[in-house]
Amino acid sequence: NAGVTQTPKFQVLKTGQSMTLQCAQDMNHNSMYWYRQDPGMGLRLIYYSASEGTTDKGEVPNGYNVSRLNKREFSLRLESAAPSQTSVYFCASRRQNSNQPQHFGDGTRLSIL
Amino acid sequence: EDQVTQSPEALRLQEGESSSLNCSYTVSGLRGLFWYRQDPGKGPEFLFTLYSAGEEKEKERLKATLTKKESFLHITAPKPEDSATYLCAVRTFHYGGSQGNLIFGKGTKLSVKP
Repeated sequence: NAGVTQTPKFQVLKTGQSMTLQCAQDMNHNSMYWYRQDPGMGLRLIYYSASEGTTDKGEVPNGYNVSRLNKREFSLRLESAAPSQTSVYFCASRRQNSNQPQHFGDGTRLSIL
Repeated sequence: EDQVTQSPEALRLQEGESSSLNCSYTVSGLRGLFWYRQDPGKGPEFLFTLYSAGEEKEKERLKATLTKKESFLHITAPKPEDSATYLCAVRTFHYGGSQGNLIFGKGTKLSVKP
């Protein structure tokens, strides 16, 4: 079972470049999430999509945009990358039913020089 | 403001030396508390969900408990393969809790030496 798949696994960008991080899930989940994880900060929510066709801001949305392409796919875009966006990015998905847990991909490690 | 605090930040144990990790929370209303395990270079892996004070869940050498203010993850006779970072998260009645949003603690890094 693939679960949540993120691509790419690693990426190095220069300041000002743009990039889209891809996420796909094969668990037929309604809700999808994007987090960033920085040393000493824990996981912080960037954007989420409660269901296909909807997206909402999380705790740290500035500098990012998202697209819920269909039920399976949720992408995160950096329009003009900044060094402060160097981080590990995780995508998660969840069945929209009571207290179902979020299931995570293995992350994209992004460095911005 | 809803908050989740985990302690200690790091814990070193000898194989077989039991201990506990703490997750204290200050939230306006708790809908669920989640424990995850994260290995280096990997995403968090779900372990347990606890819903109400007094509830307990077990899985192999791990046992999670919940009170009205905190949760403990007890590790009995740990092995080196239990080494990982353990994350605690809460779902509340605010902060997008109805959409399943979670507030994460910063984690406890556990190292178990043979």
